[in-house]
Amino acid sequence: GQNIDQPTEMTATEGAIVQINCTYQTSGFNGLFWYQQHAGEAPTFLSYNVLDGLEEKGRFSSFLSRSKGYSYLLLKELQMKDSASYLCAVTRGGGYNKLIFGAGTRLAVHP
Amino acid sequence: DVKVTQSSRYLVKRTGEKVFLECVQDMDHENMFWYRQDPGLGLRLIYFSYDVKMKEKGDIPEGYSVSREKKERFSLILESASTNQTSMYLCASGLNSNQPQHFGDGTRLSIL
Repeated sequence: GQNIDQPTEMTATEGAIVQINCTYQTSGFNGLFWYQQHAGEAPTFLSYNVLDGLEEKGRFSSFLSRSKGYSYLLLKELQMKDSASYLCAVTRGGGYNKLIFGAGTRLAVHP
Repeated sequence: DVKVTQSSRYLVKRTGEKVFLECVQDMDHENMFWYRQDPGLGLRLIYFSYDVKMKEKGDIPEGYSVSREKKERFSLILESASTNQTSMYLCASGLNSNQPQHFGDGTRLSIL
């Protein structure tokens, strides 16, 4: 079957570091995407991992282990504007850019 | 920047009505998608299209149909709206498996 798991909610303090985990089981895996979605807005692309390892992009980093079916999104120096849902999505077989999405992790950043 | 535009942000319709949701993208992407987003369930794929007049069912196609007469436009049709189709509908477009999908702002549809 195809399944993606991520925590439903997380809280963190402004200025801190938070790690959002994502585990997946899917056939036809090509890579894993992370999106950010503020309430009432469209998801926006954050990162894409296709090879094992860490991809760093400013305050945000994303890690992938293909053998373990595991990824995480690391957010450093948290700001209030980082309060949002974070969606993990993996490619599925059959091409055409099709994705399977996790239910999303709602992150609340407190002062 | 890729622009994906959905025709309405909010829409209220009645049970049994035929409802059209429109989506236009300006980046010449072959692939276009319709999702619905419900609390606790994430984004679920309804239909997608990989070329003009070509379409494939996603995970939850029942009660929906789609139309792609031009490359830039992908329409979602609720044949006879029901209350369980009240949801947020998101349209997206993309190039290939290594490229991100780009989303519209969504249409919050209420069926009364």
